[in-house]
Amino acid sequence: QKEVEQNSGPLSVPEGAIASLNCTYSDRGSQSFFWYRQYSGKSPELIMSIYSNGDKEDGRFTAQLNKASQYVSLLIRDSQPSDSATYLCAVNEYGNKLVFGAGTILRVKS
Amino acid sequence: DAGVTQSPTHLIKTRGQQVTLRCSPKSGHDTVSWYQQALGQGPQFIFQYYEEEERQRGNFPDRFSGHQFPNYSSELNVNALLLGDSALYLCASSPGTGGDEQYFGPGTRLTVT
Repeated sequence: QKEVEQNSGPLSVPEGAIASLNCTYSDRGSQSFFWYRQYSGKSPELIMSIYSNGDKEDGRFTAQLNKASQYVSLLIRDSQPSDSATYLCAVNEYGNKLVFGAGTILRVKS
Repeated sequence: DAGVTQSPTHLIKTRGQQVTLRCSPKSGHDTVSWYQQALGQGPQFIFQYYEEEERQRGNFPDRFSGHQFPNYSSELNVNALLLGDSALYLCASSPGTGGDEQYFGPGTRLTVT
């Protein structure tokens, strides 16, 4: 079983729609969860961090965490073509070691 | 405020050679982590340096070694390069005891022929 799992996609959404990206993790002791955006040929860019159960909003982005279900999600409202990228879910294990999923490709069609 | 910097940007080496990659952390950060990202995969943790010591190590062979300097910059060394070492090598810095958000540099694209 992979430690962090994401649907590889691609997830295609029309411009202006809500994109929903999901991630599950295996280590129940994990305390910190992150979403990174990676454009083709570039390095990952941190867009959201979440530490407590519930929702955390930052502009058009909302991260959701459910530790009981070992589930993290990222919602992108009013999706734009510039949001087209690979979204990486990362879980902090054993003190600052990030374990990444393989990423979900998001395509926003204008 | 300078972000994480890495050098070189691209590198081509021959199988069996050795390579050194360099990283300078974000201002105010004292912890440096190195990751390897193969095409189509998420980054894989190699190791982490804090106070000039290797604090954690991932599942990578001893051919991968590193160093952290007193100014918090770091090097990643890979010996006896294999074709499978071709990847994007990413350095990430974090504020250590001040938080665990990691910020990545632009990466070094290593090609082994």
